[in-house]
Amino acid sequence: DAGVIQSPRHEVTEMGQEVTLRCKPISGHDYLFWYRQTMMRGLELLIYFNNNVPIDDSGMPEDRFSAKMPNASFSTLKIQPSEPRDSAVYFCASRGTGLETQYFGPGTRLLVL
Amino acid sequence: SQQGEEDPQALSIQEGENATMNCSYKTSINNLQWYRQNSGRGLVHLILIRSNEREKHSGRLRVTLDTSKKSSSLLITASRAADTASYFCATDGGSNYKLTFGKGTLLTVNP
Repeated sequence: DAGVIQSPRHEVTEMGQEVTLRCKPISGHDYLFWYRQTMMRGLELLIYFNNNVPIDDSGMPEDRFSAKMPNASFSTLKIQPSEPRDSAVYFCASRGTGLETQYFGPGTRLLVL
Repeated sequence: SQQGEEDPQALSIQEGENATMNCSYKTSINNLQWYRQNSGRGLVHLILIRSNEREKHSGRLRVTLDTSKKSSSLLITASRAADTASYFCATDGGSNYKLTFGKGTLLTVNP
């Protein structure tokens, strides 16, 4: 298995632009998690899905952030409009029902200028 | 809020020495997990210990859990330069689905 796939790996954009991050979970995994990692706040859970349905989005910082999972093999995290404080590494992770460990993608390093 | 807190924040040792990292958490758990993150990479699961277990081994890793003190430790024996990474503990807060991660311990193993 290729593992969790994220794209792009790096993104540099200007403040006010829309940013879309993409994730393909491991095939057969029915939980998908989006995290944000910064030096100041560490690794924060933003939202997670089960069977493509958002279960808990309490970590989404504000309305500028939105996430979707249109099917079992694809999810997006969108920031519109982006701000410099959104600069961070965004990770996607997946796990299967009955499994307790999460499998992380390589992350997307976002820089908003 | 971060439930797990690792200690120390950074640790530098020589190859061959043992490294011990500690984690404290605040609420009840079903299990506690340790993950490793190499620079510029995603997190990789190392080991899971359940709330009814006190100690667990996996290769050069030894994890202990004290639920009365809400703390865990990760011991890496005979460290290698390749063990250089950040190590995070993660707790499930009893949810079985969500994990809350600490801020990690940066381990540097000098050759």
